[in-house]
Amino acid sequence: DTAVSQTPKYLVTQMGNDKSIKCEQNLGHDTMYWYKQDSKKFLKIMFSYNNKELIINETVPNRFSPKSPDKAHLNLHINSLELGDSAVYFCASSRGEGELFFGEGSRLTVL
Amino acid sequence: GDSVTQMEGPVTLSEEAFLTINCTYTATGYPSLFWYVQYPGEGLQLLLKATKADDKGSNKGFEATYRKETTSFHLEKGSVQVSDSAVYFCALSNINDMRFGAGTRLTVKP
Repeated sequence: DTAVSQTPKYLVTQMGNDKSIKCEQNLGHDTMYWYKQDSKKFLKIMFSYNNKELIINETVPNRFSPKSPDKAHLNLHINSLELGDSAVYFCASSRGEGELFFGEGSRLTVL
Repeated sequence: GDSVTQMEGPVTLSEEAFLTINCTYTATGYPSLFWYVQYPGEGLQLLLKATKADDKGSNKGFEATYRKETTSFHLEKGSVQVSDSAVYFCALSNINDMRFGAGTRLTVKP
């Protein structure tokens, strides 16, 4: 069983479209995250949720909206996609102040 | 806010060479410190960690010591292998917030 799974793994879409990436963890962790990794491998935190509540919301365009239906899921919805949104998006989970467990990443390409 | 600075890469070494990747941090309170590794096409995975000052984390021949006085957590390995080629990230964790350094790409040549 994959501990942190995210789908889809690859996503190719046109500018202006809306897309979602789903994430699920089966580790029983309370905290989940979304990170964006650019082409230079720089990893930037976007959001963090603890028990379904938003606790970190970095300076991210409001076209990005996270949704946590329960503490095992944290989905990322992106409206009006732009070329600069092309990146690999990683979901992760943790117990709080400890090790993060990452998904395999979702590579988004906006044409 | 909290931040992590690590040496820029890329780093290219020959097999069996000594590796050091520098990492320094700025944080309030008493963060935990981590090194993560990312192999090509994969997500990040924990390499080692240290939760308090003077702790030494170690795994797979890698080690790093939490130095509060110099706010550093440098990664070292005495003899690298080709299979160590990856991107290495230094990170700190402080109350539900994990911050990463920019990553250092290591290439080990036979």
